[in-house]
This record gives sequence, C-alpha cells and structure tokens, in this order.
Amino acid sequence: GDSVTQMEGPVTLSEEAFLTINCTYTATGYPSLFWYVQYPGEGLQLLLKATKADDKGSNKGFEATYRKETTSFHLEKGSVQVSDSAVYFCALSDPPTGANNLFFGTGTRLTVIP
Amino acid sequence: ETGVTQSPTHLIKTRGQQVTLRCSSQSGHNTVSWYQQALGQGPQFIFQYYREEENGRGNFPPRFSGLQFPNYSSELNVNALELDDSALYLCASSAPTGSEETQYFGPGTRLLVL
Repeated sequence: GDSVTQMEGPVTLSEEAFLTINCTYTATGYPSLFWYVQYPGEGLQLLLKATKADDKGSNKGFEATYRKETTSFHLEKGSVQVSDSAVYFCALSDPPTGANNLFFGTGTRLTVIP
Repeated sequence: ETGVTQSPTHLIKTRGQQVTLRCSSQSGHNTVSWYQQALGQGPQFIFQYYREEENGRGNFPPRFSGLQFPNYSSELNVNALELDDSALYLCASSAPTGSEETQYFGPGTRLLVL
C-alpha cells in the first residue's frame, strides 16, 4: 500500500542555517508528491508539489526534487528564518490507482531560533 | 487563505454523543475530502465526496458519515463518539485539473470528547 516515511523531529536550527527534512515514499502507481506546512493553530497549507519524476517543486525558498530511483522527496532550504517555524508534512497522492486521497507522514516540527 | 472555511473552530462533546462538523469549499471545487489529525500525528484520510456521492473511504467505521451539498458545502457526522475521536478534523477541497488535483485545506475543527 501507499505510505510516507518522514524524518523524525523535532528539528531546531539557528536562523540562516541550512534545512533538510527527509521524506521517502512507497506507492503502487506513479504518485504526485507534496509538502504541506502547518503553522501553530492553523490548518495545512500547500508549500510545494511535484507530479512526476525529476520535477522540482519550489516556493518561498524551499525546494524538493522528486527522485523516483530513491523514492524520495526531501525538503531543503538554504537559509531558514524564525518565521519558518512550523510542522512540515510530506504527502503523496496516487490517482492512477483510483485513490486521490493524500497519504501523510507523521510531520516534522521545525523550530528556528534567532 | 485557501478559501476553505470550517465551523465550529472548537467543540467539546461527551462520549456517546453525536457531532456534525461543517465545511465550505472554494467555489467551483466539486470534490471535498475529510481528514482526522490526532495530536502529534499526520492527517488520516476519512472519506472523499465528488458531486455529492462518496468517492473513496479510508479505514474509518460507518459511524463516520458525510454529506456534500450543491452549494459547495459539506458535513462530517460522527455518531456514538469515543474518546479516541478527539482530534483536529480537516476538510480539503479540490477541482479536477488534468490528472492531479491539489487539495486546499481549511483551518480545521478541534473536537474534544470527554
């Protein structure tokens, strides 16, 4: 079945540090991959997505590349800010298998300190 | 802002009661999905509705049911509430755009069952 495994948190970084959050997936078809962010007290916001192998999704300085050979979609940012503190969720959807629902990882809490 | 709203924001119920949660999707989005997010976990897919018909269901018992209305609103009903139903309930709306549908989430309803 479809599943997402995400790097355990929490992650604490100093401002301007480099961020990597690892995500690997298992899917029966050719999934689309997503990163969602959840700020304190809020719902999920789409951060970026990639729909096919070798695609790179990017937004707000974050980026992730869809790697089919390693079944990975790691999130990176070159210089984090305090405002990036949030919980990050990796997710996939696998429409070709008839399932358009999202499978989420357990989330990684990021705290950025000044 | 995703254009998806949910009500109420918070709710307290006792075990055995019934609850109805509401969601208003973006105009033109004819698909709505509901997710349950337990504390510290990623969201879990409950079910999806497309044009007022159930279009897929996750591993949730029949006491979780839903409705979708022509005016882009929908409901999640939970009967015979259990303590483990305490969670953040998220709805997400989407519209077909080719083979992949990005889901846009509301802020959620936090349900506490005592």
